[in-house]
Amino acid sequence: QLQLQESGPGLVKPSETLSLTCTVSGGSISSSSYYWGWIRQPPGKGLEWIGSIYYSGSTYYNPSLKSRVTISVDTSKNQFSLKLSSVTAADTAVYYCARNSSPYDYWGQGTLVTVSS
Amino acid sequence: QSVLTQPPSVSAAPGQKVTISCSGSSSNIGNNYVSWYQQLPGTAPKLLIYDNNKRPSGIPDRFSGSKSGTSATLGITGLQTGDEADYYCGTWDSSLSVFWVFGGGTKLTVL
Repeated sequence: QLQLQESGPGLVKPSETLSLTCTVSGGSISSSSYYWGWIRQPPGKGLEWIGSIYYSGSTYYNPSLKSRVTISVDTSKNQFSLKLSSVTAADTAVYYCARNSSPYDYWGQGTLVTVSS
Repeated sequence: QSVLTQPPSVSAAPGQKVTISCSGSSSNIGNNYVSWYQQLPGTAPKLLIYDNNKRPSGIPDRFSGSKSGTSATLGITGLQTGDEADYYCGTWDSSLSVFWVFGGGTKLTVL
């Protein structure tokens, strides 16, 4: 059974860079059939797609976040990562990693990241 | 403001049927498959419907999906209290560049 697990700091200061990693187990991130994505959910609000990456490194980003987002993949560790720069309080959210087989069929449990000084 | 429009809330009694709509455009729903997700309180979203009307293994046939033009609909029959959750539609959008969009979500209350 495929499992995804997010990890990273739960508290980030304003203007700094948020960094999260998703570790995939029970399957290979190098499968040619899937993209791997990040989705976030501010407290009490809906889902917002951040971006996706293919194992080869090709990426798709939400146009509204594109200037601040970098998603990368490390196939040797079966992990992919998210970096979001210049964060503000508006970036406080639960961040989910998920497998995209168009749809998103496997999700991590999510990790809350709070932006505060 | 989400690209895909869903009603903020719907409600129905146990045992009844409810439908949740998801309205988009030709750049998203009109030319792509739609999927639906159920998010129970405090948990991660779970895939309910994919490719407009297909159910993953383990999803009961009380849940159904359909698409017509630039709108999609999730149907739930035989409502149970355990169905009380937030429901989201999602699909690809190619209006500016290729990216994924979710609807704003619909809170289902089982009265």
